[in-house]
Amino acid sequence: KAGVTQTPRYLIKTRGQQVTLSCSPISGHRSVSWYQQTPGQGLQFLFEYFSETQRNKGNFPGRFSGRQFSNSRSEMNVSTLELGDSALYLCASSLALAGDLDTQYFGPGTRLTVL
Amino acid sequence: AQTVTQSQPEMSVQEAETVTLSCTYDTSESDYYLFWYKQPPSRQMILVIRQEAYKQQNATENRFSVNFQKAAKSFSLKISDSQLGDAAMYFCAYRKGFGTASKLTFGTGTRLQVTL
Repeated sequence: KAGVTQTPRYLIKTRGQQVTLSCSPISGHRSVSWYQQTPGQGLQFLFEYFSETQRNKGNFPGRFSGRQFSNSRSEMNVSTLELGDSALYLCASSLALAGDLDTQYFGPGTRLTVL
Repeated sequence: AQTVTQSQPEMSVQEAETVTLSCTYDTSESDYYLFWYKQPPSRQMILVIRQEAYKQQNATENRFSVNFQKAAKSFSLKISDSQLGDAAMYFCAYRKGFGTASKLTFGTGTRLQVTL
């Protein structure tokens, strides 16, 4: 079974632009979560989508948004990019069922550089 | 709010030896899960082991085992017979029990070096 895939793997943008990152979960997984990883702040939760609905949101400004499609694929969007948005963005999927079946499996990440 | 603390920024172990990575957490919940993830230089986050809080038995996965002390809120990872491929950042993570959102709270990580 294929793992979580993220596209693109690398991205360079300039301040003020917007960006869209994509995540395809493991087949059958219904939940997709997004995390931002930076050297200064570590791993921080952005949001989680389940059945096309945002189920939980981290403490990030409204410039960060996301959505989930009926096939569970998810996208996250960052508008009006700032230098501080440079980070590794990780996507994780899970079955969202009880116990071990709610374990999150991560994709390889998208490295975003804002110049 | 739940917090996860990894007090060892870096650890080093010789090949074939055993090393223990520490993790403590703070929560008022009784139902939760704990995880260790490994992030090698490729940056792919890989699940190493998980532990359900309601299970008293410590989880084991091949050379990896945990020492889960619920009362002390401690969750350490032991790597036996260390291999060069074990070199990576190791993150301890916490999640509330099922039925709530699946948000993971991570520690700051421990960088493990494996030497010959």
